[in-house]
Amino acid sequence: NAGVMQNPRHLVRRRGQEARLRCSPMKGHSHVYWYRQLPEEGLKFMVYLQKENIIDESGMPKERFSAEFPKEGPSILRIQQVVRGDSAAYFCASSVGMENEQYFGPGTRLTVT
Amino acid sequence: AQSVTQLGSHVSVSEGALVLLRCNYSSSVPPYLFWYVQYPNQGLQLLLKYTSAATLVKGINGFEAEFKKSETSFHLTKPSAHMSDAAEYFCAVSYAGGTSYGKLTFGQGTILTVHP
Repeated sequence: NAGVMQNPRHLVRRRGQEARLRCSPMKGHSHVYWYRQLPEEGLKFMVYLQKENIIDESGMPKERFSAEFPKEGPSILRIQQVVRGDSAAYFCASSVGMENEQYFGPGTRLTVT
Repeated sequence: AQSVTQLGSHVSVSEGALVLLRCNYSSSVPPYLFWYVQYPNQGLQLLLKYTSAATLVKGINGFEAEFKKSETSFHLTKPSAHMSDAAEYFCAVSYAGGTSYGKLTFGQGTILTVHP
């Protein structure tokens, strides 16, 4: 059973460009979470999605960030007009249900130059 | 609001020695508690979880943790450290209730170093 897959593993963007991060949950998992790991700040929750629904986006910055989990295909975290402060590791996790453990992908390391 | 405090950002032990990583939580309702391990440039791997069953939880790689409600603690232990245990460890809490259901709140992490 393949684990949570994220791509790309490394992404370099210039300031002002868009970044798209993809996450394919484990087979049978319909709950997806995105977390961001900033240097010196630890892991922070960003958004929780189920298929076609955003359940909790309380950790998402108000501007430039959006997330989706369509009926078909991977979950996408989109960052528009990236700035240097967006440089971080972005992790996706999936679970069978809200009260079940989350399994993490290897992360996407975004570098904004 | 829920929060997690990991005491000690760095812990160093000798190979074969006891590993003790401390975690205290704050939650207004019964929590679910987790320990994850992260190796350099990798994702997080679940070591063990507490979800209101037995208070002593056994995980993978010889790790275990004990839930102590009176102390609001969930410390991680391993009787004998191995070189391969060197990594960063994260304690996390979630709880069943309200809009936080399922969302993990992480501690700052503890880097474990194992000396030969």
